[in-house]
Amino acid sequence: QKEVEQNSGPLSVPEGAIASLNCTYSDRGSQSFFWYRQYSGKSPELIMFIYSNGDKEDGRFTAQLNKASQYVSLLIRDSQPSDSATYLCAVNPPGANSKLTFGKGITLSVRP
Amino acid sequence: DTEVTQTPKHLVMGMTNKKSLKCEQHMGHRAMYWYKQKAKKPPELMFVYSYEKLSINESVPSRFSPECPNSSLLNLHLHALQPEDSALYLCASSQSGGARTDTQYFGPGTRLTVL
Repeated sequence: QKEVEQNSGPLSVPEGAIASLNCTYSDRGSQSFFWYRQYSGKSPELIMFIYSNGDKEDGRFTAQLNKASQYVSLLIRDSQPSDSATYLCAVNPPGANSKLTFGKGITLSVRP
Repeated sequence: DTEVTQTPKHLVMGMTNKKSLKCEQHMGHRAMYWYKQKAKKPPELMFVYSYEKLSINESVPSRFSPECPNSSLLNLHLHALQPEDSALYLCASSQSGGARTDTQYFGPGTRLTVL
């Protein structure tokens, strides 16, 4: 069973803080990793993707991948109330072609 | 532009009705997807079309029937649905459906209620 696990939430941080969202995956051969943001009642929106070990930065967002530990994370710097949403980690396991395995998501609340 | 459009935004139907959901993308993507999402759950894959051919059917009941008329359009035909089929139906597209760098982009979804 290919699994993607995300920390149980919800996660609450004050405005301006760093929010750290974590995800582990079971299939060691997985190669592609995605973070989607989903506001209540809306569809998932791609935030970041990462394929190589290390960090990838885009504005206030940093994705971190450690394939040895089978761990991918999303850091949100200078968190804003508008970042309050559910964040979905998704993994494309090897041989799965088009299929993404999603984690259950974690709800982030940024307190003004 | 990473836009996927879906119509209608909302749909209410009875269990004996026949309706269709529509999805369109003009990004030149060759893979298109249907997902079902229930409240507080992640999206659940239903079907994948790759180069206009059905490549994945996740054992979805036959009351859901997908169709891909061309590379830009994807339909989901609905017939004799059950109240438990009420959900957000999401369409997504990606460049090719198989490469390591393939990234899925979601449309806004259709909120379906079955009475």
